[in-house]
Amino acid sequence: KQEVTQIPAALSVPEGENLVLNCSFTDSAIYNLQWFRQDPGKGLTSLLLIQSSQREQTSGRLNASLDKSSGRSTLYIAASQPGDSATYLCAVVSSNTGKLIFGQGTTLQVKP
Amino acid sequence: DTGVSQNPRHKITKRGQNVTFRCDPISEHNRLYWYRQTLGQGPEFLTYFQNEAQLEKSRLLSDRFSAERPKGSFSTLEIQRTEQGDSAMYLCASSLSTSSYEQYFGPGTRLTVT
Repeated sequence: KQEVTQIPAALSVPEGENLVLNCSFTDSAIYNLQWFRQDPGKGLTSLLLIQSSQREQTSGRLNASLDKSSGRSTLYIAASQPGDSATYLCAVVSSNTGKLIFGQGTTLQVKP
Repeated sequence: DTGVSQNPRHKITKRGQNVTFRCDPISEHNRLYWYRQTLGQGPEFLTYFQNEAQLEKSRLLSDRFSAERPKGSFSTLEIQRTEQGDSAMYLCASSLSTSSYEQYFGPGTRLTVT
């Protein structure tokens, strides 16, 4: 059974810092891995999707990497801003139904 | 393309009442998913449709829950005889049947059972 874990559960940093969020999964047989952002009380916004054949994806100040063999992904946020404050969720697709298995999320606070 | 929409956005109901939520996916997406998210947790898969066929249901989907997608477009999720433990955010997502499996989420319906 696929399980996804995110560490840390919460993180507080001063504005301008570079930071890394971690995601690990127990079964390396995945189709893809997605990182999402969720603001309080809102739905999920897709940030980056990494296919199983890829090693990383970049969008603006965000870079996500994937190491399938070790069951790990990282989300790197450069030059953090207060507007980056949110919960970040990673999720994997392990079956051809496409259903997502989520981690518990990391709640990020960027202080001005 | 207006994205995935869900209605209502918020629902407060008394224990024992029935509730129904609606999800309208992105128009050309043939896959539709329902998830449930409780406070402080990641979303958990409930059920999946490809067109009008319900192809997978989680064990979380007790017999009080039923989902339909009658014409392969919008979907409804009904909860009968609601319990306080049903209080959660119910999220809908849609995707194309491609190898990317990229899902797009709606804003969710927040259910509070009193």
